[in-house]
Amino acid sequence: KQEVTQIPAALSVPEGENLVLNCSFTDSAIYNLQWFRQDPGKGLTSLLLIQSSQREQTSGRLNASLDKSSGRSTLYIAASQPGDSATYLCAVRDNFNKFYFGSGTKLNVKP
Amino acid sequence: DGGITQSPKYLFRKEGQNVTLSCEQNLNHDAMYWYRQDPGQGLRLIYYSQIVNDFQKGDIAEGYSVSREKKESFPLTVTSAQKNPTAFYLCASSIWDLAKNIQYFGAGTRLSVL
Repeated sequence: KQEVTQIPAALSVPEGENLVLNCSFTDSAIYNLQWFRQDPGKGLTSLLLIQSSQREQTSGRLNASLDKSSGRSTLYIAASQPGDSATYLCAVRDNFNKFYFGSGTKLNVKP
Repeated sequence: DGGITQSPKYLFRKEGQNVTLSCEQNLNHDAMYWYRQDPGQGLRLIYYSQIVNDFQKGDIAEGYSVSREKKESFPLTVTSAQKNPTAFYLCASSIWDLAKNIQYFGAGTRLSVL
């Protein structure tokens, strides 16, 4: 069964710092990987989608990489801002259209 | 304005009562999903549906039931058999196109036990 792990569980950084969030998965037979943002008490917002054949995707200050063979993905946030404070979750999709989520990294960016 | 609408935002259940959470989407998506989120944990799949009149159990289906009579709607019933229903429930949908299979989420329903 697919297991998705996110490290660290929580992270606190000063504003302006570059940071990396990690996601690992146990079964490399994935179709794609998606990074989400969740604000307290809210639903999830999709940030980036990486297909299994891709190595990375970029959107603004966000860059996500995927190493399918080693079961790892990273989300890089450049020049962090207080508005980036949220919980970030990664999810992998298998070939049967099921999604498996990590428990998230709670990010706090201090002004 | 396209999206996923979950209602109610907050719901309270009495012991022995069944309650139904609503999820409606106007994105013309084929697949719909129900997840449960407990504090500090990731999302766990309850049920999912790929097409109308068909659905499959997820990892924690016991104590829950669903129906998919219309493409736009995927209600979740939390039955009295679910002994620990307090959680945040999220509904999601996605298209079947494998290259564009992004999940879109509703704002969630927070269920508490009285």
